[in-house]
Amino acid sequence: DVKVTQSSRYLVKRTGEKVFLECVQDMDHENMFWYRQDPGLGLRLIYFSYDVKMKEKGDIPEGYSVSREKKERFSLILESASTNQTSMYLCASSFWNGLYQETQYFGPGTRLLVL
Amino acid sequence: SQQGEEDPQALSIQEGENATMNCSYKTSINNLQWYRQNSGRGLVHLILIRSNEREKHSGRLRVTLDTSKKSSSLLITASRAADTASYFCATDQGGIKAAGNKLTFGGGTRVLVKP
Repeated sequence: DVKVTQSSRYLVKRTGEKVFLECVQDMDHENMFWYRQDPGLGLRLIYFSYDVKMKEKGDIPEGYSVSREKKERFSLILESASTNQTSMYLCASSFWNGLYQETQYFGPGTRLLVL
Repeated sequence: SQQGEEDPQALSIQEGENATMNCSYKTSINNLQWYRQNSGRGLVHLILIRSNEREKHSGRLRVTLDTSKKSSSLLITASRAADTASYFCATDQGGIKAAGNKLTFGGGTRVLVKP
């Protein structure tokens, strides 16, 4: 079974802190994604990566950066956390079949509270 | 409105009844996927239907796709209390690998199955 793990289930940080959220997948997937999920807004894509050291902005990249130094690991960085970044963060990975986006496999999520 | 909108936003049914939810989208797609999310957890893939397919089954799930109407439906037959969750559709709009390799999620339908 595909396994996507996230470094923390719950995280509490203070405004201005630098926050690292880590995601690891064990299926050798090329693609990895970071979403945030907020009530009434659904899932919104922050960043995605289709290869090591490659990244693409999603729909809401402001205030975030990412790092993909190894194929299995995709990190989301909040350079200076703000209260409006309090949210549920979901990581996902998928296989690219050369033509279509395949199934995305999600981690359990990290619920971040910024005080 | 966003690509991939589910309707209704919420649904309450008795155990044993069928649950139907719909998804509408705006642009042409390569495939459409349905995911389930239990409260506070990550998303789990249910079914993928390609643009050249009209209907797909998986256990108690039946998905239809009408590309002329840009809509899809998910039917859960003989629902169980364990089906209580939020259900999301997601569309793959295709494009070159670097720019188009992502899914766009709708806001979800919350389903409550009462025992």
